[in-house]
Amino acid sequence: SQQGEEDPQALSIQEGENATMNCSYKTSINNLQWYRQNSGRGLVHLILIRSNEREKHSGRLRVTLDTSKKSSSLLITASRAADTASYFCATAAFNGGSNYKLTFGKGTLLTVNP
Amino acid sequence: ETGVTQSPTHLIKTRGQQVTLRCSSQSGHNTVSWYQQALGQGPQFIFQYYREEENGRGNFPPRFSGLQFPNYSSELNVNALELDDSALYLCASSLNQRTSDHEQFFGPGTRLTVL
Repeated sequence: SQQGEEDPQALSIQEGENATMNCSYKTSINNLQWYRQNSGRGLVHLILIRSNEREKHSGRLRVTLDTSKKSSSLLITASRAADTASYFCATAAFNGGSNYKLTFGKGTLLTVNP
Repeated sequence: ETGVTQSPTHLIKTRGQQVTLRCSSQSGHNTVSWYQQALGQGPQFIFQYYREEENGRGNFPPRFSGLQFPNYSSELNVNALELDDSALYLCASSLNQRTSDHEQFFGPGTRLTVL
């Protein structure tokens, strides 16, 4: 079952604009991660934010986490056409073995128009 | 490029057949996780292998099985294929750590079509 729900499902913006995607989840987490996927290919890790962190930056990416609301947001500033992709949030939780598994949302499809 | 490779890239099978998908993990990683991604959905966790043993499983029936080899490469086997098994199958490698503060490195996936 899906843990996270991204919002919106699809987002279309112009180059240079900022893109904001939101993620809500249901259960307690150890961390929340954002991944990017181009055209049905493999996923690329973007950023990880721990449950005791509220905000994190990496280049043009800014992630916030509100554990009281069980929500996170990903902001991409000064977007480029190359940012066009699907973006997924994933929550990390103990999987019953000795490692953690990721539970993904359904993703947001971002289209950046030149 | 993550260093995780998968084969084949694409595969077409018919209902009832069996399929084996392969994954080579990134150098130094001893844990492999498999995910199924249906069209328009996020990846769903199938199972994970660590040191050649299954180390956690998602909500998938027993006809989904796997192996991990001493070199940490892995196979996903699916028996008695059903139409709903059509999906992108992703493997991801990682270091097995007691903390969750690590990322998984994904391969490019195998696109399976069941007719």
